[in-house]
Amino acid sequence: NAGVTQTPKFQVLKTGQSMTLQCAQDMNHNSMYWYRQDPGMGLRLIYYSASEGTTDKGEVPNGYNVSRLNKREFSLRLESAAPSQTSVYFCASTRPRDTGELFFGEGSRLTVL
Amino acid sequence: EDQVTQSPEALRLQEGESSSLNCSYTVSGLRGLFWYRQDPGKGPEFLFTLYSAGEEKEKERLKATLTKKESFLHITAPKPEDSATYLCAVQDNFNKFYFGSGTKLNVKP
Repeated sequence: NAGVTQTPKFQVLKTGQSMTLQCAQDMNHNSMYWYRQDPGMGLRLIYYSASEGTTDKGEVPNGYNVSRLNKREFSLRLESAAPSQTSVYFCASTRPRDTGELFFGEGSRLTVL
Repeated sequence: EDQVTQSPEALRLQEGESSSLNCSYTVSGLRGLFWYRQDPGKGPEFLFTLYSAGEEKEKERLKATLTKKESFLHITAPKPEDSATYLCAVQDNFNKFYFGSGTKLNVKP
């Protein structure tokens, strides 16, 4: 029962470096999401994908790009990391009818120096 | 603009001391309101979904209620293991989920 799997769990980057956070779900969910969580700010939506081949911006998309590679995988890319992108990133997905709850991964803790 | 506000930010209770957490929201077409529990270093864990005003859900010491503008998470006779951050989220008509900043609950034995 893997659920939603995120890699890596921890990453340290220097300003200007690029990296990709990977997310995969094995629950046959249509919709997938990327959130970031900062102290006192709650979870903020970065990007959202309703289905394979579609993506949409959330509340804080600047500095990020996403790819919905197939139904299972949804990746988040930082092209030129900035210290303001230091955060914990969560991937989530919902059931096929999209009227149910989000299922979350364990999170990826990113530090940008 | 969709918005979710939770209060209080932090709550300290003695074991057995009941209380309530509040979640107020504005959303363009509410498809559902969700409560999650989050432990340190973990992803949020689903607790309840509420779909319409007047609806209530219960699970052990927790009970969630919903009105047209807010939701409450009632905690009856809490135990130390109930200590966590509780998050509220709304799902809008565009299938996006918006979260509040959470209430950090600390239950002392």
